Amino acid sequence: ETGVTQSPTHLIKTRGQQVTLRCSSQSGHNTVSWYQQALGQGPQFIFQYYREEENGRGNFPPRFSGLQFPNYSSELNVNALELDDSALYLCASSSGANVLTFGAGSRLTVL
Amino acid sequence: AQSVTQPDIHITVSEGASLELRCNYSYGATPYLFWYVQSPGQGLQLLLKYFSGDTLVQGIKGFEAEFKRSQSSFNLRKPSVHWSDAAEYFCAVGDNTNAGKSTFGDGTTLTVKP
Repeated sequence: ETGVTQSPTHLIKTRGQQVTLRCSSQSGHNTVSWYQQALGQGPQFIFQYYREEENGRGNFPPRFSGLQFPNYSSELNVNALELDDSALYLCASSSGANVLTFGAGSRLTVL
Repeated sequence: AQSVTQPDIHITVSEGASLELRCNYSYGATPYLFWYVQSPGQGLQLLLKYFSGDTLVQGIKGFEAEFKRSQSSFNLRKPSVHWSDAAEYFCAVGDNTNAGKSTFGDGTTLTVKP
């Protein structure tokens, strides 16, 4: 079975720009969760998607948005980028609700 | 609100020595508890999990953890550390209906001396 794949692996943006990060969930997994991991910190929950609907959100502003597609893959969109958005963005998929499989992440640098 | 504290930011042990990484959590009900490991530039790999039942749980790579409700702790242990165990370790508490909404600690970096 394939694991969770994320793209791109690295990207650089400037303040005010928009970015889209992509995630393909593990085969058989219907739930995708997104996390932001700033340097030196633990991952912070952004939101989760289940059956193409947002199913819970952490303490992130509306400029962080997402989508889930019928094949359970997902996108994370961030508008009006700020310097503090520089982080590793992790996608995790699960079947049911109990165990997460993480991708390797997308490293975003905002200049 | 749930929270996780990992008191040790950085731990150094000699290869072959025993290891214990501390984790304290705050959660109103019976928690789902997890330990993950992250190597540089990588995502997180699940080491072990506790949902219910036996409070001593075994994981991969020879790790184990003990859930102590009275102390709100879930410490990770390994009897003999290998150089390849050098990494960052994260404790997390999951919503008891949905582990996808987990709260993580800030991690402990493990260095292994030869």
